[in-house]
Formats: sequence, structure tokens, C-alpha cells
Amino acid sequence: DGGITQSPKYLFRKEGQNVTLSCEQNLNHDAMYWYRQDPGQGLRLIYYSQIVNDFQKGDIAEGYSVSREKKESFPLTVTSAQKNPTAFYLCASSRLLSYEQYFGPGTRLTVT
Amino acid sequence: SQELEQSPQSLIVQEGKNLTINCTSSKTLYGLYWYKQKYGEGLIFLMMLQKGGEEKSHEKITAKLDEKKQQSSLHITASQPSHAGIYLCGAVWSPMDTGRRALTFGSGTRLQVQP
Repeated sequence: DGGITQSPKYLFRKEGQNVTLSCEQNLNHDAMYWYRQDPGQGLRLIYYSQIVNDFQKGDIAEGYSVSREKKESFPLTVTSAQKNPTAFYLCASSRLLSYEQYFGPGTRLTVT
Repeated sequence: SQELEQSPQSLIVQEGKNLTINCTSSKTLYGLYWYKQKYGEGLIFLMMLQKGGEEKSHEKITAKLDEKKQQSSLHITASQPSHAGIYLCGAVWSPMDTGRRALTFGSGTRLQVQP
């Protein structure tokens, strides 16, 4: 079955450590996205990528980094520079030139 | 996003009741997407509206986009516990919107359906 996988489902880290969240898709989609969701809030765009080896900052890119070395993978690194990293992170993908996005199950990151 | 506001923020209804969720844009929409999210999970696509006055239905859920393309409503008929979750609208304001090819989401409406 085609879809998007995110791992792990829950992630715990100590403050000051970098952590990388995985996102893989087998839908053959060109575009991929990372969103952050906080309690009672909608999704905020962190980064997105329309093609391999290219990506753009979203609305809240500070403290995050991404790479897009393969079409099917778009990992997100939450760095120690991110002041409030505890959140629910969602990855999505879409066909090029389409806004209809398919979402992964999310990763809940807790930093203490 | 203040450019896209959803109301109400939360809603509790008795099973079998009808309900409406609104999504209001500060400017003319190019497209409006409705998604549903179960707590702690990813988003599921429901419907996309693009034309002014357009209306789409899926099972007991109907979404409409007003003629001016600045407001959309999501209506659920005879609600069931399976309808519970967070409903989010996502907007596109221009197909060539400064090169940004990503949706801007509202803050969501949390729906609880009491048996």
C-alpha cells in the first residue's frame, strides 16, 4: 500500500540535543512538507521541498534543518537552537502542482 | 493564521444532531481544502472547493464555498461518534502565490459527539 511513514511515533530528548525525525513516502510524489502542530493550534509550515536537492523555508524555519537527497525521503532535524521544540510534527507529500496533501501519522517530540 | 479563521474553536453535540463549522478568509480564495484529524494522528483529506458557490458532499458531510470565495462551511448531518475529531481548513490564495506551494491552515475546530 502506498503512503507516508513517520518514525518514531514518540520521541524523547534532553534539551540541547539535536534530533532527526524521519519521513518516507512511496507515493512517487515530488513535493514534501513538514508542519508543526501545537495544542489548540493549526498546522504551521516549517519547510517544504518541490524537487530533490531543493527546499524552501516555511513560516517557522528557525531552529530546524532539512535535506532532500532522495525523492522518497525528507528528514527534519530539530536543532538545539529551536527554543520550544516540544510539539507534534507532521510530514506530508503531494504531486507536483497539486495542493492536495497526503499526511503521515505524525511524531510527537518531547524535549525536557 | 489570522488570514484564515475557523469557528467555533470547539463544539460538543449530541449524537444525531446537525452541526456547521465555518472557515473565513481575509482575502479571495483560489482553493479551500477540508481535512479531518483524529487526536494524535495525521490529517485525512475530505474535500476541495475551488469555484464560487461550489458544494460537495461525502456521506453525511457537505462543504460549500460562498460566491465571493471568502468563506467555506462544513456541515455534518445526523452526527455520529465517528465524526469526532479536529476539522481543519487549508487555503490557497493564488496559484502562483510568491512561489509558495503549500497550504495555510486554520487553527481547527475540535468536535466532540456525545452518544
